[in-house]
Amino acid sequence: AQRVTQPEKLLSVFKGAPVELKCNYSYSGSPELFWYVQYSRQRLQLLLRHISRESIKGFTADLNKGETSFHLKKPFAQEEDSAMYYCALIASGSRLTFGEGTQLTVNP
Amino acid sequence: DAGITQSPRHKVTETGTPVTLRCHQTENHRYMYWYRQDPGHGLRLIHYSYGVKDTDKGEVSDGYSVSRSKTEDFLLTLESATSSQTSVYFCAISEQRGDRGEQYFGPGTRLTVT
Repeated sequence: AQRVTQPEKLLSVFKGAPVELKCNYSYSGSPELFWYVQYSRQRLQLLLRHISRESIKGFTADLNKGETSFHLKKPFAQEEDSAMYYCALIASGSRLTFGEGTQLTVNP
Repeated sequence: DAGITQSPRHKVTETGTPVTLRCHQTENHRYMYWYRQDPGHGLRLIHYSYGVKDTDKGEVSDGYSVSRSKTEDFLLTLESATSSQTSVYFCAISEQRGDRGEQYFGPGTRLTVT
């Protein structure tokens, strides 16, 4: 069975500092990975997916199959990045499995 | 926001009472999902539907039932609410199955069981 682990429940950084939200997964095949974000009083929404290899709002995430990780990174954090971030995985033909979430706070 | 609404948005109920939450979509998407969100657990899938009258269990389905009689509506029922079911419940929809489908989420329903 697939599993997603986000080791940091809370992460606090200062504005302008780099930020990395960690995500590790367990699955023996080739999963598709996502990052979802929930801003205060807004709906959960897709931030990015690994297959697209895109940068959204300055965030990037690289799938490392050797380390089974999909960490989310941004070189310069902004206050508006403060939110709850969820890493999620879909194994082939299966359902979306979410991690526990990381609450990111960017301080001024 | 995708056309997804949930009702009610907030509910307080007593232990042992039945509760039904409604998810309504205007996107004509085939797949619909119910999740619960709890601190330390993230989002966990309760039940999902892959078409009218076609539903299946998720990882935390005990104590919950669902029904989907129309494409646009997906109902989640707690037959006899317990305090452990106090949570925020999210409905989601997707157009395609699993690995290619982005899921769109509703605004959530905050349920408190006293």
